[in-house]
This record gives sequence, structure tokens and C-alpha cells, in this order.
Amino acid sequence: AQSVTQLDSQVPVFEEAPVELRCNYSSSVSVYLFWYVQYPNQGLQLLLKYLSGSTLVKGINGFEAEFNKSQTSFHLRKPSVHISDTAEYFCAVSAQGSNYKLTFGKGTLLTVNP
Amino acid sequence: GAGVSQSPSNKVTEKGKDVELRCDPISGHTALYWYRQSLGQGLEFLIYFQGNSAPDKSGLPSDRFSAERTGGSVSTLTIQRTQQEDSAVYLCASSSTGQETQYFGPGTRLLVL
Repeated sequence: AQSVTQLDSQVPVFEEAPVELRCNYSSSVSVYLFWYVQYPNQGLQLLLKYLSGSTLVKGINGFEAEFNKSQTSFHLRKPSVHISDTAEYFCAVSAQGSNYKLTFGKGTLLTVNP
Repeated sequence: GAGVSQSPSNKVTEKGKDVELRCDPISGHTALYWYRQSLGQGLEFLIYFQGNSAPDKSGLPSDRFSAERTGGSVSTLTIQRTQQEDSAVYLCASSSTGQETQYFGPGTRLLVL
């Protein structure tokens, strides 16, 4: 079984500041890693994913994440945030070679203030 | 093309009633997932369909929950004798065969009074 821990439930930042949302996972098998974003009253939108290869992955809206196998982490970063980035962010994993069902963290609410 | 669609977008029901939630996956996607998003439990996997294979029902919380997928496309999640703790957003996702990336619908917000 897999588990995901998002270390911060809320992250407030000012506009144009950098941000890092932290995610750690636990699994006895190799996993795929994902970050999804959820805007108010909407479904989940895929931001980026790590499947294999380069550990630094780039996604939409200027976000990137780095897979660190030794630390079992997949932190999400953006160098300069905008008001429109205010949303809830979910880290998720799925086991390789499985039915790919996702195990999610509890989410981090990113609030960007002017 | 069109994304995953779900209906209704909102549903209010009385405790003890049955409800049906519908999901239309992306055309051509053979895998379909249901998840539940609630304040207390976060996002939880409920059930997975892949083609004509037997579904993975390991996430269904009780025997009041069931789901079917007709013709390998549309899926219906049924909750019988609803309870207040069933209040949540029910999300559907689909993916292509052998693909690890799931695409989510907007969800159905269920409120049980």
C-alpha cells in the first residue's frame, strides 16, 4: 500500500514570491507521482507527473517538481506566484504495474495575497 | 475533445433515499475510476473499471455503494439508503488503456439532509 503526506495544510504567500509545497510518500513498490490542482468548485486538473527519466519535471502554469527517491519526496515549486495560483494542490501516487488507482495526500491550500 | 462529464453537478437528498450519480468518460478511454472527496477523509478511491474485466471494488465503504459500467462507457454510482456521512463530492476519472494519467470530471456534490 502507498501513503502520501503533504506537510503543510495551508501556505500563504505574497504575489511574485517563490513557493514550495512539500510532499512525501511511502510505498513498498515503485510508484508514479503526480500533482493535481483544484480550483474552487471544480474537479482536479493535472499539473505535472513523474513517470521515469529526469527527476526534474515541468508542468503547466510555470510549476515544476523534483523527484527525490532517497528522501521519498516530490516537492512542487514555482519561482513567482500569481493571484490566480490560489487553489488547493494535491500530491498523489500510484503503484507501477497496477491498476493505477491514486492515493492522495490531504492537500495544501495555497493562498496568494496581493 | 470533450473531457469527463458528470451529472448532476449537485444533488440534495433526504437520509434513507437512494441516489444515482453518472459519469461519461473521455471517448475511447477504457479505464474509469470513482473517488470520493470529503472534509474528514480527503480524496479516497472507490472503484475501478477496466474494459470487460471484473471491477476493483476495494475502496467501496459499505455494501450500500455499488457501481456499474454499461457498454464500456458510461458509469453509474449508486448509493442506497443514504446517510449523512455520505455527503461529499464524488469525482470520476478516466484514462486510456495502460496509461497512468487520469483525467477528472467536475464532480457531483452530494448533500444528504
